[in-house]
Amino acid sequence: GAGVSQSPSNKVTEKGKDVELRCDPISGHTALYWYRQRLGQGLEFLIYFQGNSAPDKSGLPSDRFSAERTGESVSTLTIQRTQQEDSAVYLCASSFPRAVYGYTFGSGTRLTVV
Amino acid sequence: QKEVEQDPGPLSVPEGAIVSLNCTYSNSAFQYFMWYRQYSRKGPELLMYTYSSGNKEDGRFTAQVDKSSKYISLFIRDSQPSDSATYLCAMSGKSGGSYIPTFGRGTSLIVHP
Repeated sequence: GAGVSQSPSNKVTEKGKDVELRCDPISGHTALYWYRQRLGQGLEFLIYFQGNSAPDKSGLPSDRFSAERTGESVSTLTIQRTQQEDSAVYLCASSFPRAVYGYTFGSGTRLTVV
Repeated sequence: QKEVEQDPGPLSVPEGAIVSLNCTYSNSAFQYFMWYRQYSRKGPELLMYTYSSGNKEDGRFTAQVDKSSKYISLFIRDSQPSDSATYLCAMSGKSGGSYIPTFGRGTSLIVHP
């Protein structure tokens, strides 16, 4: 596609439920990043995928968070047993390998845990 | 202390004003500096990027980096209401073979007619 596509755009879930967020990167972009943006806060790095290398999971806040990516295509971010503090916009970005600029972001998934 | 500090604002200016947005940082390994613009309910989009110290100009926008002071700035000349958005600074340096950017919290800019 022309841009980074994220779905759903909005998600309301009950506390304790699991949620899955999807990111479809730009074709040819082997690097993929997930960030979390809480209200009034900056982007908080969660996880980074580069091709078939082991992902950098150093930003995942707890073991309730996990992400997968098959090859160089779609990625899913899963949050288990959601908590109210998980409410945020989850942003995905993709880029060419080892890019230092030029990350293209999707519009995000706005997650609300009630 | 966060690695990247940015005043959240809001910064409200009249149309036509010169706007100055700033970030400070603590990690001397940062070499690449970016400014992103984020409109409400949209993802950030890359506005400008620079490498190391110096100035870079693109139309009404000028990015400035002072590595000795660990301070970066974005200037917007002849500001327009369409410039109203949140501006996020971001920076990166090589860490473990990758350049994962670290973002500031963003400054909300309001340009009123």
